[in-house]
Amino acid sequence: SQQGEEDPQALSIQEGENATMNCSYKTSINNLQWYRQNSGRGLVHLILIRSNEREKHSGRLRVTLDTSKKSSSLLITASRAADTASYFCATDSNSGYALNFGKGTSLLVTP
Amino acid sequence: EAQVTQNPRYLITVTGKKLTVTCSQNMNHEYMSWYRQDPGLGLRQIYYSMNVEVTDKGDVPEGYKVSRKEKRNFPLILESPSPNQTSLYFCASSLQGRYEQYFGPGTRLTVT
Repeated sequence: SQQGEEDPQALSIQEGENATMNCSYKTSINNLQWYRQNSGRGLVHLILIRSNEREKHSGRLRVTLDTSKKSSSLLITASRAADTASYFCATDSNSGYALNFGKGTSLLVTP
Repeated sequence: EAQVTQNPRYLITVTGKKLTVTCSQNMNHEYMSWYRQDPGLGLRQIYYSMNVEVTDKGDVPEGYKVSRKEKRNFPLILESPSPNQTSLYFCASSLQGRYEQYFGPGTRLTVT
């Protein structure tokens, strides 16, 4: 079953603005990952945050994790047109090794 | 270059004609997985493999088979394809199951 659920489904912003997308999940996890997908292409890993971490940074990306609310957010600062893509969160579970992806947030950054 | 390759990239076939989509990785990864991506449904896991000869079902395994005889290869087999298996398929691998997945370029399958 799809555990991760991204919100919003679609987001349109202008270059230079920040983009925030959220992910909610249902059961306990070991870690949560964020991926980017350019139209029709393979997903690319962005960042992994472990269940005992609250915040992680990578370049212009900032990820937070709140295990009490079972939610995570991905913040892209100073967005660029090249950030236009779909973004997915992926969660594992405490039992088993399946990986569950959400339906994604489609981000459009206009110049 | 570290990569996951899939073949074919595009395939149009007819209902009932058995087909195999190959997946190969050159990173000595233990974990490999197959996903299908459909509009509005996101990415759903079909099967995964923790290591050679170890496979397990994902969310949507019906109508698919897999095998893992070698560490580098993880073919996806559709014994009798049906139109509802028309989709974009991705293979992925990782060092261990719960960590960073490396995705292949995708295989767009149409079953008529």
